[in-house]
Amino acid sequence: GAVVSQHPSRVICKSGTSVKIECRSLDFQATTMFWYRQFPKQSLMLMATSNEGSKATYEQGVEKDKFLINHASLTLSTLTVTSAHPEDSSFYICSARPDRVDYEQYFGPGTRLTVT
Amino acid sequence: GQNIDQPTEMTATEGAIVQINCTYQTSGFNGLFWYQQHAGEAPTFLSYNVLDGLEEKGRFSSFLSRSKGYSYLLLKELQMKDSASYLCAVMDSNYQLIWGAGTKLIIKP
Repeated sequence: GAVVSQHPSRVICKSGTSVKIECRSLDFQATTMFWYRQFPKQSLMLMATSNEGSKATYEQGVEKDKFLINHASLTLSTLTVTSAHPEDSSFYICSARPDRVDYEQYFGPGTRLTVT
Repeated sequence: GQNIDQPTEMTATEGAIVQINCTYQTSGFNGLFWYQQHAGEAPTFLSYNVLDGLEEKGRFSSFLSRSKGYSYLLLKELQMKDSASYLCAVMDSNYQLIWGAGTKLIIKP
């Protein structure tokens, strides 16, 4: 149990276009999901906390108008990178916290975004 | 500020034991996590400590001392597949994970 999926696993897009990444908790409900970004040889950086039914909470320095988060249901959160630029190329990882336990988080497999 | 320190890289020999240390200073404490991350993959959960002491799980053990702000991950009987980055993370008073930079563990035959 406790499986989180992400789609797509890899995406290549042209500069100026938008890309949507989906994060789904497959066998549990998650009111809270998290979006991370990881650059090569660096640790995870929390971008935002996504809450079902309310606006996401963004970390300092993360542009909310560029990284749109929609937590449409208790099992789905989406991250849209708008007007992507090459510097947005990174590994994007989501995690989901089961509603029953505060301290657990389960990670999706990640999405490798390359902007050309 | 909040800070988590762990060594950048460690090298060990197949079959040996290695200890990866983590020290932390955070606003509040709701547990310490260790994750394993292979290159190009998402982290996978290894352990969770919220009380002082040693938690053993097969070849992996994790220790916590809250008074010292210190934890370690102990890996026994090292295998080549254990080559990965090991991430220490602390859950703060807001139940958010604060991440260390990770320790890259290199296993040599």
